[in-house]
Amino acid sequence: DARVTQTPRHKVTEMGQEVTMRCQPILGHNTVFWYRQTMMQGLELLAYFRNRAPLDDSGMPKDRFSAEMPDATLATLKIQPSEPRDSAVYFCATGLSSETQYFGPGTRLLVL
Amino acid sequence: RKEVEQDPGPFNVPEGATVAFNCTYSNSASQSFFWYRQDCRKEPKLLMSVYSSGNEDGRFTAQLNRASQYISLLIRDSKLSDSATYLCVVTTPQGGKLIFGQGTELSVKP
Repeated sequence: DARVTQTPRHKVTEMGQEVTMRCQPILGHNTVFWYRQTMMQGLELLAYFRNRAPLDDSGMPKDRFSAEMPDATLATLKIQPSEPRDSAVYFCATGLSSETQYFGPGTRLLVL
Repeated sequence: RKEVEQDPGPFNVPEGATVAFNCTYSNSASQSFFWYRQDCRKEPKLLMSVYSSGNEDGRFTAQLNRASQYISLLIRDSKLSDSATYLCVVTTPQGGKLIFGQGTELSVKP
């Protein structure tokens, strides 16, 4: 049963520290999405890639967030420097199209 | 105005009840429509797609009214295991992105 893998599952860090979250897409999936979920805002799209090329990162704060796909088996989302308001669950989702997305288990981030 | 709006919930219903969720979307050019389910502290999972002709999957029935920009989900004979948050989702007109509603929480009680 193929699944999207995300690491770490939980992260507690102090304000100002760099945070790196990783996602391993399901083999063969060429579309990767990064979402952030909070109680107040719900599920928000931060960025997405197709065939490793960034297509849209308009939902991402550019000054501190960056998303990359160094290869087809790894997507990363970095926050530098982190702030308490970044505390959320970050989901990676992958698929063969935008309409069929399989979500990973998420990274629960707490910035103190 | 949010692009996708849902009933605020929570819905607390007894086992066996029929419950309906509603959702409206603001962009008339939206292309595709879905319901996702999210269990507590878990990731969202696709429940079903929604078509203009309406579609049914067991106890679940989804309807789309493009003229009113309205989507619904009906759950019949609700089970304890149906307790979750139900997310209404639409794609952007270009089809590239999913826009999620805030979700409606359902709690089915014995």
